Amino acid sequence: SAVISQKPSRDICQRGTSLTIQCQVDSQVTMMFWYRQQPGQSLTLIATANQGSEATYESGFVIDKFPISRPNLTFSTLTVSNMSPEDSSIYLCSVQGGGGQPQHFGDGTRLSIL
Amino acid sequence: GENVEQHPSTLSVQEGDSAVIKCTYSDSASNYFPWYKQELGKGPQLIIDIRSNVGEKKDQRIAVTLNKTAKHFSLHITETQPEDSAVYFCAASDPGAGSYQLTFGKGTKLSVIP
Repeated sequence: SAVISQKPSRDICQRGTSLTIQCQVDSQVTMMFWYRQQPGQSLTLIATANQGSEATYESGFVIDKFPISRPNLTFSTLTVSNMSPEDSSIYLCSVQGGGGQPQHFGDGTRLSIL
Repeated sequence: GENVEQHPSTLSVQEGDSAVIKCTYSDSASNYFPWYKQELGKGPQLIIDIRSNVGEKKDQRIAVTLNKTAKHFSLHITETQPEDSAVYFCAASDPGAGSYQLTFGKGTKLSVIP
C-alpha cells in the first residue's frame, strides 16, 4: 500500500492562529480525504480533496475554517484557521487508489490549542 | 446517510481467548466493509475488509463475517495476543455520498490481558 507522510506529527498552537498540515503520498492516488478524530472518538470526514478544484466539504465543515489544497495526485494540505481549544484533535489524511480500492491512513497530526 | 453502530465499546479478554466485535449498518445498498486497527499514537491501519458478494473472509487469526439480510458484520480475532490490544473501528461505504466515502463506527477498545 501507499506510504503516507503527514507533517507536522504534532503541534501546540495559540488560540487565534492557523496551522497548515501537509500530506504527501509516495505514489499517485485518485482520492485524498481529511478526517478529524477528537480525543477518544471516532473518525469524522471533513472533506474530500479534489485535484485541481475546490474540496468537497461535509456537513458542519466550511472552507473558511478548513481550507484545503490539492495541487497534484500525491500532495494535499489542510489548514485549520483561527484555532480555538475546540479544534484540539487528531487530523488524519487518507488516500484511496482507483474505484473499489481500500483507504489507507497517515499517522495523523496531533493538534493542541492553548 | 449511512449509520454504523459498533459494540461493545470496550472488551477485555485473556490472552489466547477469542474476541468478537459486532457492527450494524443502516443502508442496505452499502457494499464494502473494512476494519481498522488503531494503536496509540498511530493512524488507523486496515486489517481486513469484505465486500457484499462474500459472506466470510479470513486472514490468519482474523476473520470477518457479513450478514446482508440482517445488515450486520463482525470481526473475529482468535488466539488473541497482547499486541492485539488497540482500538478497532468498523466502517461501511456510503454509496449515496459517492462510493469512496466511509462511515465509521465509534470504535472498540480491546485489551488483551497476559
